[in-house]
Amino acid sequence: DQQVKQNSPSLSVQEGRISILNCDYTNSMFDYFLWYKKYPAEGPTFLISISSIKDKNEDGRFTVFLNKSAKHLSLHIVPSQPGDSAVYFCAASSYSGGSNYKLTFGKGTLLTVNP
Amino acid sequence: DGGITQSPKYLFRKEGQNVTLSCEQNLNHDAMYWYRQDPGQGLRLIYYSQIVNDFQKGDIAEGYSVSREKKESFPLTVTSAQKNPTAFYLCASSTLGQGEETQYFGPGTRLLVL
Repeated sequence: DQQVKQNSPSLSVQEGRISILNCDYTNSMFDYFLWYKKYPAEGPTFLISISSIKDKNEDGRFTVFLNKSAKHLSLHIVPSQPGDSAVYFCAASSYSGGSNYKLTFGKGTLLTVNP
Repeated sequence: DGGITQSPKYLFRKEGQNVTLSCEQNLNHDAMYWYRQDPGQGLRLIYYSQIVNDFQKGDIAEGYSVSREKKESFPLTVTSAQKNPTAFYLCASSTLGQGEETQYFGPGTRLLVL
């Protein structure tokens, strides 16, 4: 049972336009959400995060929106650049007992930004 | 400079062989994690550790073992019991707190079966 879903395996946009990557989750206990960017054969790099008490967090060209009632978050990249081409993973944090928290990852969306 | 290192970058395993993947961090993080990534899949948690000499199974621990003898090091052994070991293995670390900690990843090790 997939608790974090990225339903679009791929997305293609033109340079300079907006990229919108979507993520849905089913577990209402998730309270912290992160986006990671990953190039082939490299480890993921942290991009941006949002706490469940917020509905928006912005960092430069990257903005994450959280809609708790819909259990949906999205990552907006404006303007998109060719260097943004990578796989983007959505992750959600939940408490797993004791002092333990764990991340659950979606399967990723491959973003291609065309010059 | 601070970061997470994984070695080797590529590792080949023969049938029935145990192999160990190295993960070292100098970020002074308490928590360390091992994930596995398969093509077209997300990251799946194998093991994690929040303190020296203690670790917990993740979602897919069967066929793997770990140790945490030092805060900086969290090696993963892929045993012969792991029947489908070919994957990209990622180590991560984070601080400990109230659940809003970011995990930072190493560059990964690709394991291939001969």
